[in-house]
Amino acid sequence: DSGVTQTPKHLITATGQRVTLRCSPRSGDLSVYWYQQSLDQGLQFLIHYYNGEERAKGNILERFSAQQFPDLHSELNLSSLELGDSALYFCASSVGNRLTKETQYFGPGTRLLVL
Amino acid sequence: AQKITQTQPGMFVQEKEAVTLDCTYDTSDQSYGLFWYKQPSSGEMIFLIYQGSYDEQNATEGRYSLNFQKARKSANLVISASQLGDSAMYFCAMREANAGGTSYGKLTFGQGTILTVHP
Repeated sequence: DSGVTQTPKHLITATGQRVTLRCSPRSGDLSVYWYQQSLDQGLQFLIHYYNGEERAKGNILERFSAQQFPDLHSELNLSSLELGDSALYFCASSVGNRLTKETQYFGPGTRLLVL
Repeated sequence: AQKITQTQPGMFVQEKEAVTLDCTYDTSDQSYGLFWYKQPSSGEMIFLIYQGSYDEQNATEGRYSLNFQKARKSANLVISASQLGDSAMYFCAMREANAGGTSYGKLTFGQGTILTVHP
């Protein structure tokens, strides 16, 4: 158990809908990262928050947004869902945000299926 | 160009034998970190081992060791005494720092290698 929690574990929804994925980092970790894993794109970095502030953006679609709250949990909002958004979405956390050696610990993931 | 290349889509190994999973990387940064993660069929991502670009010694964590050859830009994972529970997908990943030393934070992953351990 990495100490990172994600809910829900599974999500089935229809095209055009909006969903929210939730992540709680390990105790003491200030950074939260979101990644998407799909068969065709592999593991892709979406966005990074540190202590409530956005720090870096990757290949995140405009239909997707995220935030990190004062209690450090984070939410990833996916809207106007398309079939291609079906993927495994991971949240990871680390202590800080500046050192290349900081290990990112991953949550169990949310498996999203868009029908 | 691919930042992280894992050239072995699948590998097979006999139980109790050692296996090496290849990883090459591409970066112009002097400071970077290399990570290996394991993803079993259940889907979670499990951190295995870390190697820093300035580390002089190869990293080791139990049965896992990293064969780090900086000049060749390779960071191969060696699993000794393979166990049936080692059957999983293995990912190599890199975290870079820019010239100013501020890390962008993200991990860049390779495509992964599926390891199957035979009894």
